[in-house]
Amino acid sequence: AQKITQTQPGMFVQEKEAVTLDCTYDTSDQSYGLFWYKQPSSGEMIFLIYQGSYDEQNATEGRYSLNFQKARKSANLVISASQLGDSAMYFCAILSGGYNKLIFGAGTRLAVHP
Amino acid sequence: GAVVSQHPSRVICKSGTSVKIECRSLDFQATTMFWYRQFPKQSLMLMATSNEGSKATYEQGVEKDKFLINHASLTLSTLTVTSAHPEDSSFYICSARDRGPTYEQYFGPGTRLTVT
Repeated sequence: AQKITQTQPGMFVQEKEAVTLDCTYDTSDQSYGLFWYKQPSSGEMIFLIYQGSYDEQNATEGRYSLNFQKARKSANLVISASQLGDSAMYFCAILSGGYNKLIFGAGTRLAVHP
Repeated sequence: GAVVSQHPSRVICKSGTSVKIECRSLDFQATTMFWYRQFPKQSLMLMATSNEGSKATYEQGVEKDKFLINHASLTLSTLTVTSAHPEDSSFYICSARDRGPTYEQYFGPGTRLTVT
């Protein structure tokens, strides 16, 4: 079975600083994908970044980067130069099992302070 | 980017009535759609996977007779909560899968159901 663990229920960061949100995963599949989503208070799920299990380079998308450490089964999200609008819930998710199901972690609530 | 819509965005219904929620992929064809439920301050829990033209696959613990899913076309899936009760009050989110290389799922904006 696949599992995502996010151990930080809440994090806060000062505006313009960088923050790392932790995510570890467990899967017996050789091929899988890791996603990070942002969910603001409005409830919509916003896709941030994707990392494939065979990708050797860490994924980056603007201010978002994924620190992928395959041996440690870790896929931490790094947000650089935090903005007030980054305050939201952040979910890590794994897509495996034949790419059929997306399994989410418990989420981390990020608060960006001015 | 791919857009998924949901209707209604909010619905309040009385206990014992049924409610239908629509999920549409607006600019792509989605052979697979997913329905999630999210309780306050919790994560998204997959309820069922819906494939166009076939019966939905429900996750363990989800009552298929209570949560009826129909995926009649490549752009529309519906979730009907039958005989709703207050404990069914939740945020329901659908997603549609693109067949791109990342197998990304595009999420709808969600439907907040309140059963009184």
